[in-house]
Amino acid sequence: DAKTTQPTSMDCAEGRAANLPCNHSTISGNEYVYWYRQIHSQGPQYIIHGLKNNETNEMASLIITEDRKSSTLILPHATLRDTAVYYCIAMFSETSYDKVIFGPGTSLSVIP
Amino acid sequence: EADIYQTPRYLVIGTGKKITLECSQTMGHDKMYWYQQDPGMELHLIHYSYGVNSTEKGDLSSESTVSRIRTEHFPLTLESARPSHTSQYLCASSEWGDYYNEQFFGPGTRLTVL
Repeated sequence: DAKTTQPTSMDCAEGRAANLPCNHSTISGNEYVYWYRQIHSQGPQYIIHGLKNNETNEMASLIITEDRKSSTLILPHATLRDTAVYYCIAMFSETSYDKVIFGPGTSLSVIP
Repeated sequence: EADIYQTPRYLVIGTGKKITLECSQTMGHDKMYWYQQDPGMELHLIHYSYGVNSTEKGDLSSESTVSRIRTEHFPLTLESARPSHTSQYLCASSEWGDYYNEQFFGPGTRLTVL
């Protein structure tokens, strides 16, 4: 599975868009990009995933570059409740076993 | 909304005690997982299961054991708790699929061994 790299931490003003980058330069053609977040002391929560097209749901948008070597998670109007650690994961499961490597993620602080 | 439950949410116990952390899901998911996470640190996979009677060890070596007798239930047991086992334990489940499917996480059990 492709390794991802993310900035350690980011700040965002409340009400502004939060853009969280992720590099996955070794991603293979059949690997999806997934984003999760973990609010303090809670279990991680799925946000969104994509393969090569941009995706949007009620929580966020995912922009994947054409070469698929990087992506950006966008929270369009960040609130204080979006303060969390955000994990970017790239993987594909051809077998029954999908081992998820979460990595350190990006700690996003939304500032009033 | 995900229906995956963990009990207890918090446990403080003395060294040498045997403990079982419970995890149950009502979604009919075949795959279940246990992760260990120290405060401010990364999640580490310690056990996983494909289905009933299937259990495997994850990346992080753990002295805990698991069982999967029923699809909905995936308990984790420590035969003799030690202070080094103090951590948060997170359970998750997911469906089968042609590619990786999202994992649904429980609220976690925060274990403190004195």
